[in-house]
Parts: sequence; structure tokens; C-alpha cells
Amino acid sequence: AQKVTQAQTEISVVEKEDVTLDCVYETRDTTYYLFWYKQPPSGELVFLIRRNSFDEQNEISGRYSWNFQKSTSSFNFTITASQVVDSAVYFCALRFAGTYKYIFGTGTRLKVLA
Amino acid sequence: DTAVSQTPKYLVTQMGNDKSIKCEQNLGHDTMYWYKQDSKKFLKIMFSYNNKELIINETVPNRFSPKSPDKAHLNLHINSLELGDSAVYFCASSQSRTALTGNTEAFFGQGTRLTVV
Repeated sequence: AQKVTQAQTEISVVEKEDVTLDCVYETRDTTYYLFWYKQPPSGELVFLIRRNSFDEQNEISGRYSWNFQKSTSSFNFTITASQVVDSAVYFCALRFAGTYKYIFGTGTRLKVLA
Repeated sequence: DTAVSQTPKYLVTQMGNDKSIKCEQNLGHDTMYWYKQDSKKFLKIMFSYNNKELIINETVPNRFSPKSPDKAHLNLHINSLELGDSAVYFCASSQSRTALTGNTEAFFGQGTRLTVV
């Protein structure tokens, strides 16, 4: 099965708290690509990060960090010191090498309260 | 300049009507997509075109007909609209040469919210 699971439907945190959004994927392929997208209240889908299956290095970009672990088929996203502007729906997605199709998880709605 | 632009942003129409959504990208990409996002925020691919050729058609009713006049445009025409067609439709694009090797991501438009009444 080719599937992306985001078990957390909605998370609420208070501003400045750290929060981790979970993403678990299923695939039998050895080469694949993982993505995170952000959908703010305005509705557009904003690309955040792409990660290749053969690169398990974690990545940090400002307050955002991503933890990719092939052993657990997870690609989790952490926001440090969350801000109200981080409030959005976050989608994890999977694409296989040699294909054009992106498979999205069901999204996690993050609410950051002031 | 908007990289992937869709028009209109909002579309309210009656059941049975025919409507079109236009999409244009100025990124020089050769692959374009239509995704549907339902009321539960679930995103599912509908179609993909590569160099104006249909490469993905995901069991979409034939009332939906994509048209790609050139690599920069992918329009979506919907005939005989039904209540269940109400959703947000996203256009996206990517570069196939790098898509197949992985070193790229899809860029999305701002979405078109279609409401069928």
C-alpha cells in the first residue's frame, strides 16, 4: 500500500510552545520523496520541504525542523517557539521515483493561541 | 508575479451548469496537475499533464475534462455540475525532467472554491 498517515487531526498549543506534527508513510519502494506543505487560513498550499529517501539527514530551517527516520517510516515536523502565524493545516506528502503523483496525508490543523 | 495562478478564485453556480477553471503557470514547468480538496481537507489528484499529454487520470467522472492548450496552461471544464462537486480545486505544476529524478516539488495555485447550489 502507498499511504501517508497524519494521525493528529488537530493540535492546539499556546504561543512559544514547541509542537511536533507526525507523519508516517507506507511504501515498498526504495526511492521516494517526502514533502511538507502548509495551508494557511487564506487557502493556498505552500511548499515547505522536500526530502529524498536516501538522505536521512535531519533539516533545520529557522524555527522549523524535520526528522526523517526510515526505520520507522516517519517524517515528523517540529515547530519551535510557535507563533500565531504558524496556525494552518499542514500536509505531509509522498511521491515515488519515476512518477508524477503526490499522495497526501489528511492534514493536521495546528492552532497556535496567543 | 504569481507562479501558478487560477481563475476564478471563487465560483458559485447552480446544479446542471457547465463551468471552467483556468490555470496558468509562469515557472517554465512542463507538468501540470489538478487536485481536488474536499470539505474534510483531503487532497486527491484528479489529472496530470506532461507536455500537453494526459498522464494521470484518477477515476474522475467524465463530466470533468481537462484541456492543456500549451505547457503553461491546464484548464478544467466541468459539465452538468452536481452538489458533490463542491470543493476547492487546486492547480499545480512541476518540472518533469527533475520530477522523475526527484529533485523537485510541485507548486500550487491559490485554489478555486467551487460551490454548487
